[in-house]
Amino acid sequence: GQSLEQPSEVTAVEGAIVQINCTYQTSGFYGLSWYQQHDGGAPTFLSYNALDGLEETGRFSSFLSRSDSYGYLLLQELQMKDSASYFCASDSGTYKYIFGTGTRLKVLA
Amino acid sequence: NAGVTQTPKFQVLKTGQSMTLQCAQDMNHEYMSWYRQDPGMGLRLIHYSVGAGITDQGEVPNGYNVSRSTTEDFPLRLLSAAPSQTSVYFCASSPGEGLAKNIQYFGAGTRLSVL
Repeated sequence: GQSLEQPSEVTAVEGAIVQINCTYQTSGFYGLSWYQQHDGGAPTFLSYNALDGLEETGRFSSFLSRSDSYGYLLLQELQMKDSASYFCASDSGTYKYIFGTGTRLKVLA
Repeated sequence: NAGVTQTPKFQVLKTGQSMTLQCAQDMNHEYMSWYRQDPGMGLRLIHYSVGAGITDQGEVPNGYNVSRSTTEDFPLRLLSAAPSQTSVYFCASSPGEGLAKNIQYFGAGTRLSVL
């Protein structure tokens, strides 16, 4: 079957760096997306990797290794407002997206 | 620019009732989709559409119908509501092409309870 595995919860302190991992097992893999969702809110897009390597967008970076079926989201200079759930999602190029179960990030003061 | 608008925001149904969740986008996006999110879970794709007149099933389509008669609207119909359909429903749209083709824009969600 198709699945994306993420740790259920990660805790870090303000100002620190945290990495959220995602390992996937999907057919016809095309790329990996990352979304942020605050409690009670809607998911919002953070980044997308179609090629191996690192994509940087401000304090957030995302990495993909197709050979390892693995990606991660890196959050730097953590702020309290980064406390949220983070989801990876794969697509097969046919707009049929599969989401991971999500990682809840808690940022401590 | 409203983005993706979902109505209603909250709904309570009795088992066996039918209803339609509305979704509209004003970004002229070709791709639209419906997801459900259960507590502590990721989003699961119900149905999606790559353009007006074209729909396809996602991961969990049973009990739901969709149609796409215009680019802007993508309603989701629950034919005979069951308690297992209690969930938060999100509609999303995407350009489907160009540099932003993989970015999905989500509506605020509809929180549905089936008693």
